[in-house]
Amino acid sequence: SQQGEEDPQALSIQEGENATMNCSYKTSINNLQWYRQNSGRGLVHLILIRSNEREKHSGRLRVTLDTSKKSSSLLITASRAADTASYFCATDADDYKLSFGAGTTVTVRA
Amino acid sequence: GAVVSQHPSWVICKSGTSVKIECRSLDFQATTMFWYRQFPKQSLMLMATSNEGSKATYEQGVEKDKFLINHASLTLSTLTVTSAHPEDSSFYICSARDRRRTGSSSYNSPLHFGNGTRLTVT
Repeated sequence: SQQGEEDPQALSIQEGENATMNCSYKTSINNLQWYRQNSGRGLVHLILIRSNEREKHSGRLRVTLDTSKKSSSLLITASRAADTASYFCATDADDYKLSFGAGTTVTVRA
Repeated sequence: GAVVSQHPSWVICKSGTSVKIECRSLDFQATTMFWYRQFPKQSLMLMATSNEGSKATYEQGVEKDKFLINHASLTLSTLTVTSAHPEDSSFYICSARDRRRTGSSSYNSPLHFGNGTRLTVT
């Protein structure tokens, strides 16, 4: 079942700008993961943040997690044209299955 | 990194025929594989969880007789869409967890995805 809700649905930015997207979920989780999907392709894992972590960095990516608000954000800094893709958050609860959000489509204009 | 190969990447078939999609973990063993379906511009919907050596677990609303799943080895799971109809046209994606990450640590391990199969039923 789909647990995550992502905001915004779509985002268009200029190359070099930062992109921020948010994810909210409903139940308690073990971790939250962010994935990227290029058009017509599978998903690529970007970053995983555990329920006891509040912030995590990986290269130009910064993820925050607020378990009290059941929300997470993904920030992509200094965006590039290659960052154009759909981004999904996914929550990992107690049943080994990931539940994906609706996704945010990011377009980076050159 | 862990690689999941999914084949074919696209297939066109006639209504009433069956189509088999393969999902292989190339450099790791996967006790569990997951099959997702994705409609255009929508999220991934989990169809079933494929367990090596046992029957697959299907999500509510997914017809197990229509979507046959076989997980015969630690590196291969197949999804067969039987008697396909145009409404089965979709993007099917498999994913797998590394067997070495099973147990309590699996809660904090990512999924590795295949590149998906675009199925068009005419």
